[in-house]
Amino acid sequence: GAGVSQSPSNKVTEKGKDVELRCDPISGHTALYWYRQRLGQGLEFLIYFQGNSAPDKSGLPSDRFSAERTGESVSTLTIQRTQQEDSAVYLCASSQGRSNYGYTFGSGTRLTVV
Amino acid sequence: AQSVTQLDSQVPVFEEAPVELRCNYSSSVSVYLFWYVQYPNQGLQLLLKYLSGSTLVKGINGFEAEFNKSQTSFHLRKPSVHISDTAEYFCAVIPNTGNQFYFGTGTSLTVIP
Repeated sequence: GAGVSQSPSNKVTEKGKDVELRCDPISGHTALYWYRQRLGQGLEFLIYFQGNSAPDKSGLPSDRFSAERTGESVSTLTIQRTQQEDSAVYLCASSQGRSNYGYTFGSGTRLTVV
Repeated sequence: AQSVTQLDSQVPVFEEAPVELRCNYSSSVSVYLFWYVQYPNQGLQLLLKYLSGSTLVKGINGFEAEFNKSQTSFHLRKPSVHISDTAEYFCAVIPNTGNQFYFGTGTSLTVIP
């Protein structure tokens, strides 16, 4: 597609429920990031995928968070047993590769845990 | 470790006036530097980036930034702002051998008519 597409754009969930967030990167982009943006704060790195290499999961805040990506296709971020502190905007970005560094961000998924 | 500091959380400026948004960073290794803009309810859009070469970098929408290695700064400037420049601006760095972007907490630019 023309840009990075994220769905849903908004999600309200009850505490303790699982949620799945989706990111469709730009076709041909091998690199993909997930970031979290809490209200009034900067972006917090979560996970990085580069082609078929093992992902860099060093930013995932707890074992309730996981992400998958098959090849250069769609990525899903799953949060299990959601907590109120998980409320944030989750942003996805993709790029043709590290040397390009021209990351394109999606509009994000606004997650609210009630 | 790397960190990015944006000293000004909010910057109000009158239309057609110049503006400078400050960014300082700390890193034990060489980094690449970026400025992103975020309009309300939208994702981040790349304004400009410094990878190597000339320390004065020109970006989209008339913005430019200058990399100052000795002062570890990468301030963003525009000589004359428009109402449409009202947005949140984020400075970011990535180590030249790393995977992760480090973002500042953002500067909210408000252009006053």
